[in-house]
Amino acid sequence: TQLLEQSPQFLSIQEGENLTVYCNSSSVFSSLQWYRQEPGEGPVLLVTVVTGGEVKKLKRLTFQFGDARKDSSLHITAAQPGDTGLYLCAGGYGGATNKLIFGTGTLLAVQP
Amino acid sequence: EPEVTQTPSHQVTQMGQEVILRCVPISNHLYFYWYRQILGQKVEFLVSFYNNEISEKSEIFDDQFSVERPDGSNFTLKIRSTKLEDSAMYFCASSVKGRGYGYTFGSGTRLTVV
Repeated sequence: TQLLEQSPQFLSIQEGENLTVYCNSSSVFSSLQWYRQEPGEGPVLLVTVVTGGEVKKLKRLTFQFGDARKDSSLHITAAQPGDTGLYLCAGGYGGATNKLIFGTGTLLAVQP
Repeated sequence: EPEVTQTPSHQVTQMGQEVILRCVPISNHLYFYWYRQILGQKVEFLVSFYNNEISEKSEIFDDQFSVERPDGSNFTLKIRSTKLEDSAMYFCASSVKGRGYGYTFGSGTRLTVV
């Protein structure tokens, strides 16, 4: 069974704090994607990483793909209330399909 | 910003009835997908579609499910005889290419089977 475990499941922090969300698997992925999902909406792509050890930055968000391409992390610096939402990692298997396996999700609440 | 459009946004149907969920993917995308999310659970892969045929399907995608791209723009998911456990949010997605390319998801269709 292909599994992507995210930790923590829930995170409630104050505005201005830093946080890291982890995404771990025993499987090797050809790519790792991070999405953010609002209630009742579809996931929205934040970033795709494809190379082991790759680091990408999106303003205050830093994404890293593990060297072995089995894990990833999302670090948010100086969190703001607008960062509140459900963060999903998704592992891609490539090939003709690029099927994604989604993680269990991390629900982030940033209090003003 | 190009969007993936899904209709209807909500559908309530009686158990045993057929439903068709509709999607208009982004026009220059080549890969199309259906995923579903049961309330409170993970987003799950149903099927991928490329070059006018199914490229992969999950165990969930049994004989009750089918997909079609009847013209150059629409991509549909049909459930022939709905069950209570088919109640979920169904998301259509498309990507421009395969490996390493992120998806654009639609806003979803909330299907409720009663």
